Amino acid sequence: QQQVKQSPQSLIVQKGGISIINCAYENTAFDYFPWYQQFPGKGPALLIAIRPDVSEKKEGRFTISFNKSAKQFSLHIMDSQPGDSATYFCAASGRAGGTSYGKLTFGQGTILTVHP
Amino acid sequence: DGGITQSPKYLFRKEGQNVTLSCEQNLNHDAMYWYRQDPGQGLRLIYYSQIVNDFQKGDIAEGYSVSREKKESFPLTVTSAQKNPTAFYLCASSMDRGTEAFFGQGTRLTVV
Repeated sequence: QQQVKQSPQSLIVQKGGISIINCAYENTAFDYFPWYQQFPGKGPALLIAIRPDVSEKKEGRFTISFNKSAKQFSLHIMDSQPGDSATYFCAASGRAGGTSYGKLTFGQGTILTVHP
Repeated sequence: DGGITQSPKYLFRKEGQNVTLSCEQNLNHDAMYWYRQDPGQGLRLIYYSQIVNDFQKGDIAEGYSVSREKKESFPLTVTSAQKNPTAFYLCASSMDRGTEAFFGQGTRLTVV
């Protein structure tokens, strides 16, 4: 059962543009929503994460928007740069005491290409 | 230099053979995880461990086994029962469940 759906599968953006990646989840027990960045042949690295007590979190050029009622969250990359070209994964895990606690469920990934 | 070390980076296995992937961390993390990554798919959880000598099956545990004899080490054995073992395997750790997970650089396993 795919509990986190990510779109689009691939995204091409011009340098300086805004990249937007969306995720939707089904499990209402999820309460931790990280985004990971992965370069080819490397392990994923945490980019930014949010918990449902806030609707937005910003770190530098990266912003997570969270809509609890719609069970959706998105990553916005402002002023996209060629160095941002990578695969991005959203993920989710559940609160303490639940069966999904500490177990990240990942979206399918988005391959981002930023053209110079 | 703290982190997670996976070895080897590339591994080739003949059909019918068991193979063990190494994962070591010096972050003093309690929780460790194994994920499998296939092209076009997200990461899928194989096994996870919260403490030494305890581990739990993830979503795709069939054909895999693990051990957690030391806090620093969480080796994964891909057995001959795993019908489609060719994949990129990622080990991760976190301070405890529900906190930031750090990933190793992965092991690419190919069945020849």
